[in-house]
Amino acid sequence: DIQMTQSPSSLSASVGGSVTITCRASQAINNHLAWFQQKPGKAPKSLIYAVSSLQNGVPSKFSGSGSGTDFTLTISSLQPEDFATYYCQQYDTYPLNFGGGTKVEI
Amino acid sequence: EIQLVQSGGGLVQPGGSLRLSCAASGSPLNDHYMDWVRQAPGKGPEWVGRIRNRARAYTTEYAASVKGRFSISRDDSSNSVYLEMRSLKIEDTAVYYCASEFRDISDYYYFDNWGQGTLVTVSS
Repeated sequence: DIQMTQSPSSLSASVGGSVTITCRASQAINNHLAWFQQKPGKAPKSLIYAVSSLQNGVPSKFSGSGSGTDFTLTISSLQPEDFATYYCQQYDTYPLNFGGGTKVEI
Repeated sequence: EIQLVQSGGGLVQPGGSLRLSCAASGSPLNDHYMDWVRQAPGKGPEWVGRIRNRARAYTTEYAASVKGRFSISRDDSSNSVYLEMRSLKIEDTAVYYCASEFRDISDYYYFDNWGQGTLVTVSS
């Protein structure tokens, strides 16, 4: 199985600031990498697929990059609604594993 | 855009069975793969399984933890997907989400829309 490791597990940021979250796959995943946002008690929301392609309706403040086994999600101009937990996920190989999550707090 | 509304769930004893449903509106499911993902309390999401579309003969894949106990089916005529769970264990307790998938440029499928989730509690 491909293991997805996110860092950090949590971070503090300020409104108006920016954050970068890292996701590392245990083997190459051919850019089949997605990012999700989840707020407490809510379903995940799809943000990005194929490393850097934004889902419909997702603002450009969210951006993804990387290749091979190392990927990042950057969120700029943080607003109160961006404080949530973020997960990466590989969809290259079964099982379709998720990372452990990064909680972005004020 | 597809909206997914889930039903089913609840409390079931260990060894019992349960069926979850996921109904789509806003767009036909025909071209989409459909998945189930679960999330145990305080944990991250865990992929449960996938059913491909008609073009791929509705074939399925499952996580090792549920293979042989869970079964995914779909009815494109009613725009619905189902998760049949048997021989339930305490560790199957989680919120279960259905999710639709669509094709990226490399012909791999990625999650796009999610249902609201439904809680399954396995307890005596």
